[in-house]
Amino acid sequence: GNSVTQMEGPVTLSEEAFLTINCTYTATGYPSLFWYVQYPGEGLQLLLKATKADDKGSNKGFEATYRKETTSFHLEKGSVQVSDSAVYFCALHGSSNTGKLIFGQGTTLQVKP
Amino acid sequence: DTAVSQTPKYLVTQMGNDKSIKCEQNLGHDTMYWYKQDSKKFLKIMFSYNNKELIINETVPNRFSPKSPDKAHLNLHINSLELGDSAVYFCASSPLKNTEAFFGQGTRLTVV
Repeated sequence: GNSVTQMEGPVTLSEEAFLTINCTYTATGYPSLFWYVQYPGEGLQLLLKATKADDKGSNKGFEATYRKETTSFHLEKGSVQVSDSAVYFCALHGSSNTGKLIFGQGTTLQVKP
Repeated sequence: DTAVSQTPKYLVTQMGNDKSIKCEQNLGHDTMYWYKQDSKKFLKIMFSYNNKELIINETVPNRFSPKSPDKAHLNLHINSLELGDSAVYFCASSPLKNTEAFFGQGTRLTVV
């Protein structure tokens, strides 16, 4: 079945460091891929998305490229800020065309000043 | 002008009680969802409705019953609450079934 695997957290970085959060997936067909962010005490917000191979999603300095050959969608940011501290979720749409999102386990990012 | 709103935000209740969580979206979306987030932050879908029709029911105990009076509302009723039901429940909506979902703020349910 479809699944998403993210790197284990927590990830602790200093401000202005480079961020990579790895995400790989298993899916039939051509799923759409998403990164969601959950700030403390809040709901999930869509950070970025990619709907086909080689698409690059970007938002607020974050980027991720849909790599079909490696079944990956790694999240990157060149210079993190304290305000980026949150839980990041990689997700895909299942192949059943029901809108069901399958999430990775989430990666907690803590950025220290 | 909140897009997806849930009430209540916090719910503390005793085992055995029945409770409801309400969700409303003002985005004009056709599809709505309930997700459960456990204590380890893992998110899993529970239900999905498309134009008031149930399209996903993910092996959730039948103590959980969703109800969609119209396509802007999806409520979740839980009977005979158990300790293991403690979690954060998120409502979400999307314009089409395979587009991005917009999430509410969540309802933190604590069963004591």
